[in-house]
Amino acid sequence: GENVEQHPSTLSVQEGDSAVIKCTYSDSASNYFPWYKQELGKRPQLIIDIRSNVGEKKDQRIAVTLNKTAKHFSLHITETQPEDSAVYFCAASNSGGSNYKLTFGKGTLLTVNP
Amino acid sequence: IAGITQAPTSQILAAGRRMTLRCTQDMRHNAMYWYRQDLGLGLRLIHYSNTAGTTGKGEVPDGYSVSRANTDDFPLTLASAVPSQTSVYFCASSLGPSGEQFFGPGTRLTVL
Repeated sequence: GENVEQHPSTLSVQEGDSAVIKCTYSDSASNYFPWYKQELGKRPQLIIDIRSNVGEKKDQRIAVTLNKTAKHFSLHITETQPEDSAVYFCAASNSGGSNYKLTFGKGTLLTVNP
Repeated sequence: IAGITQAPTSQILAAGRRMTLRCTQDMRHNAMYWYRQDLGLGLRLIHYSNTAGTTGKGEVPDGYSVSRANTDDFPLTLASAVPSQTSVYFCASSLGPSGEQFFGPGTRLTVL
Protein backbone atom coordinates (compact mmCIF):
# COMPACT_ATOMS: atom_id res chain seq x y z
CA GLY A 1 0.00 0.00 0.00
CA GLU A 2 0.87 3.67 -0.08
CA ASN A 3 3.34 5.11 2.42
CA VAL A 4 3.68 8.87 2.95
CA GLU A 5 6.63 10.38 4.80
CA GLN A 6 6.45 14.00 5.99
CA HIS A 7 9.24 16.30 7.19
CA PRO A 8 9.91 18.10 9.38
CA SER A 9 7.71 17.06 12.29
CA THR A 10 8.02 20.52 13.82
CA LEU A 11 8.89 23.86 12.23
CA SER A 12 9.28 27.23 13.90
CA VAL A 13 9.58 30.43 11.85
CA GLN A 14 9.44 34.16 12.42
CA GLU A 15 6.44 36.08 11.17
CA GLY A 16 7.00 37.13 7.57
CA ASP A 17 9.41 34.29 6.79
CA SER A 18 8.61 31.39 4.46
CA ALA A 19 7.86 27.83 5.55
CA VAL A 20 8.36 24.67 3.53
CA ILE A 21 7.02 21.21 4.38
CA LYS A 22 8.04 18.20 2.32
CA CYS A 23 6.40 14.83 1.68
CA THR A 24 7.44 11.73 -0.20
CA TYR A 25 5.18 8.90 -1.31
CA SER A 26 5.83 5.33 -2.39
CA ASP A 27 3.05 4.37 -4.81
CA SER A 28 3.81 5.63 -8.32
CA ALA A 29 0.09 5.25 -9.18
CA SER A 30 -0.88 8.01 -6.73
CA ASN A 31 -2.21 11.03 -8.58
CA TYR A 32 -3.99 13.22 -6.02
CA PHE A 33 -2.10 15.11 -3.30
CA PRO A 34 -4.05 17.29 -0.85
CA TRP A 35 -2.79 19.32 2.09
CA TYR A 36 -4.85 19.76 5.24
CA LYS A 37 -4.51 22.30 8.03
CA GLN A 38 -5.62 21.46 11.55
CA GLU A 39 -5.78 24.19 14.16
CA LEU A 40 -5.61 23.22 17.81
CA GLY A 41 -8.79 21.42 18.87
CA LYS A 42 -10.34 21.72 15.42
CA ARG A 43 -11.00 19.40 12.51
CA PRO A 44 -8.61 19.05 9.54
CA GLN A 45 -9.54 21.28 6.60
CA LEU A 46 -8.31 21.20 3.02
CA ILE A 47 -6.15 24.19 2.10
CA ILE A 48 -4.81 23.20 -1.30
CA ASP A 49 -4.46 20.13 -3.50
CA ILE A 50 -2.62 19.16 -6.66
CA ARG A 51 -3.11 16.46 -9.26
CA SER A 52 -0.45 14.58 -11.17
CA ASN A 53 -0.98 16.45 -14.42
CA VAL A 54 0.14 19.69 -12.76
CA GLY A 55 3.61 20.56 -11.44
CA GLU A 56 2.71 23.55 -9.32
CA LYS A 57 -0.38 25.23 -7.95
CA LYS A 58 -0.65 28.50 -6.09
CA ASP A 59 -3.37 30.09 -3.98
CA GLN A 60 -2.38 33.48 -2.56
CA ARG A 61 0.39 32.81 -0.01
CA ILE A 62 0.22 29.03 -0.35
CA ALA A 63 1.75 26.94 -3.12
CA VAL A 64 2.28 23.25 -3.69
CA THR A 65 4.83 21.67 -6.01
CA LEU A 66 4.88 18.11 -7.27
CA ASN A 67 7.76 16.07 -8.67
CA LYS A 68 6.31 12.78 -9.91
CA THR A 69 9.66 11.40 -11.01
CA ALA A 70 11.11 11.77 -7.53
CA LYS A 71 7.76 11.03 -5.88
CA HIS A 72 7.74 14.04 -3.65
CA PHE A 73 5.60 17.12 -3.14
CA SER A 74 5.97 20.20 -1.00
CA LEU A 75 3.89 22.91 0.64
CA HIS A 76 5.24 26.45 0.55
CA ILE A 77 3.80 29.22 2.73
CA THR A 78 5.14 32.71 2.12
CA GLU A 79 4.88 35.78 4.36
CA THR A 80 3.81 33.63 7.30
CA GLN A 81 1.41 35.03 9.86
CA PRO A 82 0.63 33.89 13.43
CA GLU A 83 -2.70 32.48 12.21
CA ASP A 84 -0.75 30.06 10.02
CA SER A 85 0.29 28.27 13.22
CA ALA A 86 -1.27 24.79 13.05
CA VAL A 87 -0.55 21.17 12.20
CA TYR A 88 -0.29 20.53 8.48
CA PHE A 89 -0.88 17.10 6.94
CA CYS A 90 0.01 15.95 3.45
CA ALA A 91 -1.79 13.02 1.85
CA ALA A 92 -1.75 10.93 -1.30
CA SER A 93 -4.22 8.74 -3.16
CA ASN A 94 -4.87 7.03 -6.45
CA SER A 95 -8.15 8.62 -7.50
CA GLY A 96 -8.50 6.17 -10.38
CA GLY A 97 -8.27 3.15 -8.15
CA SER A 98 -11.04 1.00 -6.73
CA ASN A 99 -11.34 3.02 -3.54
CA TYR A 100 -11.11 6.57 -2.38
CA LYS A 101 -8.61 6.16 0.43
CA LEU A 102 -6.17 8.89 1.40
CA THR A 103 -2.90 8.00 3.09
CA PHE A 104 -1.75 10.79 5.39
CA GLY A 105 1.68 11.84 6.55
CA LYS A 106 2.24 12.14 10.29
CA GLY A 107 1.93 15.91 10.29
CA THR A 108 4.07 19.01 10.80
CA LEU A 109 3.49 21.39 13.70
CA LEU A 110 4.16 24.87 12.34
CA THR A 111 4.66 27.68 14.84
CA VAL A 112 4.86 31.25 13.56
CA ASN A 113 6.43 33.54 16.14
CA PRO A 114 5.28 37.19 16.15
CA ILE B 1 -27.07 22.62 6.23
CA ALA B 2 -25.05 20.87 8.94
CA GLY B 3 -22.43 19.25 6.70
CA ILE B 4 -21.01 16.37 8.68
CA THR B 5 -21.73 15.78 12.35
CA GLN B 6 -20.46 13.39 14.98
CA ALA B 7 -21.80 12.27 18.33
CA PRO B 8 -20.90 12.21 21.11
CA THR B 9 -18.38 15.06 21.36
CA SER B 10 -16.51 13.18 24.05
CA GLN B 11 -16.94 10.01 26.05
CA ILE B 12 -15.26 8.21 28.93
CA LEU B 13 -15.76 4.49 28.70
CA ALA B 14 -14.88 1.53 30.89
CA ALA B 15 -12.76 -1.16 29.27
CA GLY B 16 -14.85 -4.03 27.95
CA ARG B 17 -17.88 -1.89 27.21
CA ARG B 18 -19.47 -1.59 23.79
CA MET B 19 -19.60 1.84 22.18
CA THR B 20 -20.96 3.24 18.92
CA LEU B 21 -19.72 6.53 17.54
CA ARG B 22 -22.21 8.18 15.24
CA CYS B 23 -21.52 10.07 12.02
CA THR B 24 -24.07 11.73 9.74
CA GLN B 25 -23.61 13.82 6.60
CA ASP B 26 -26.23 15.71 4.61
CA MET B 27 -24.09 16.45 1.55
CA ARG B 28 -25.13 13.28 -0.34
CA HIS B 29 -21.50 12.22 -0.49
CA ASN B 30 -20.87 8.71 -1.75
CA ALA B 31 -17.80 7.93 0.33
CA MET B 32 -17.32 8.03 4.09
CA TYR B 33 -14.33 7.30 6.32
CA TRP B 34 -13.35 6.80 9.93
CA TYR B 35 -9.91 7.91 11.17
CA ARG B 36 -8.26 7.89 14.52
CA GLN B 37 -5.78 10.59 15.45
CA ASP B 38 -3.04 9.95 17.97
CA LEU B 39 -0.21 12.33 18.83
CA GLY B 40 2.75 11.79 16.53
CA LEU B 41 0.92 9.27 14.37
CA GLY B 42 -1.22 11.53 12.23
CA LEU B 43 -4.54 10.37 10.85
CA ARG B 44 -4.91 6.63 10.40
CA LEU B 45 -7.78 5.12 8.46
CA ILE B 46 -9.87 2.59 10.37
CA HIS B 47 -12.65 1.73 7.90
CA TYR B 48 -14.13 3.30 4.82
CA SER B 49 -17.18 3.03 2.59
CA ASN B 50 -17.15 3.93 -1.10
CA THR B 51 -20.94 3.86 -1.34
CA ALA B 52 -23.98 2.81 0.65
CA GLY B 53 -23.99 -0.94 1.23
CA THR B 54 -20.22 -1.41 0.94
CA THR B 55 -17.42 -1.12 3.49
CA GLY B 56 -13.70 -1.79 3.54
CA LYS B 57 -10.84 -2.09 6.00
CA GLY B 58 -8.28 0.65 6.41
CA GLU B 59 -4.89 0.67 8.06
CA VAL B 60 -6.00 -0.08 11.65
CA PRO B 61 -9.34 -1.97 11.55
CA ASP B 62 -8.87 -4.43 14.43
CA GLY B 63 -11.38 -3.98 17.25
CA TYR B 64 -13.69 -1.81 15.14
CA SER B 65 -16.66 -2.46 12.88
CA VAL B 66 -18.77 -0.26 10.63
CA SER B 67 -21.98 -0.41 8.65
CA ARG B 68 -23.38 1.72 5.82
CA ALA B 69 -27.09 1.07 5.57
CA ASN B 70 -27.77 4.38 3.81
CA THR B 71 -25.90 7.30 2.24
CA ASP B 72 -26.04 9.60 5.24
CA ASP B 73 -24.95 7.49 8.22
CA PHE B 74 -21.71 5.65 8.97
CA PRO B 75 -21.53 4.44 12.59
CA LEU B 76 -18.33 3.04 14.09
CA THR B 77 -18.66 0.36 16.77
CA LEU B 78 -16.13 -0.75 19.34
CA ALA B 79 -17.39 -4.17 20.42
CA SER B 80 -15.28 -4.40 23.57
CA ALA B 81 -13.27 -1.24 24.21
CA VAL B 82 -9.62 -1.42 25.30
CA PRO B 83 -7.39 1.40 26.65
CA SER B 84 -5.36 1.48 23.40
CA GLN B 85 -8.50 2.70 21.66
CA THR B 86 -8.24 5.98 23.58
CA SER B 87 -7.99 8.53 20.77
CA VAL B 88 -9.72 11.28 18.87
CA TYR B 89 -11.95 9.84 16.17
CA PHE B 90 -12.78 11.77 13.01
CA CYS B 91 -15.41 10.87 10.48
CA ALA B 92 -15.05 12.26 6.96
CA SER B 93 -16.90 12.15 3.66
CA SER B 94 -16.17 12.87 0.02
CA LEU B 95 -18.27 13.12 -3.10
CA GLY B 96 -16.03 10.86 -5.14
CA PRO B 97 -12.54 9.42 -5.52
CA SER B 98 -10.72 12.66 -6.29
CA GLY B 99 -12.68 15.08 -4.23
CA GLU B 100 -12.01 16.90 -1.02
CA GLN B 101 -12.62 14.97 2.17
CA PHE B 102 -14.74 16.92 4.65
CA PHE B 103 -14.13 16.10 8.29
CA GLY B 104 -16.54 16.05 11.18
CA PRO B 105 -15.73 17.83 14.46
CA GLY B 106 -14.35 14.67 16.07
CA THR B 107 -15.12 12.51 19.10
CA ARG B 108 -12.65 12.34 21.97
CA LEU B 109 -12.83 8.85 23.45
CA THR B 110 -11.12 7.78 26.65
CA VAL B 111 -11.12 4.10 27.61
CA LEU B 112 -10.20 3.40 31.22
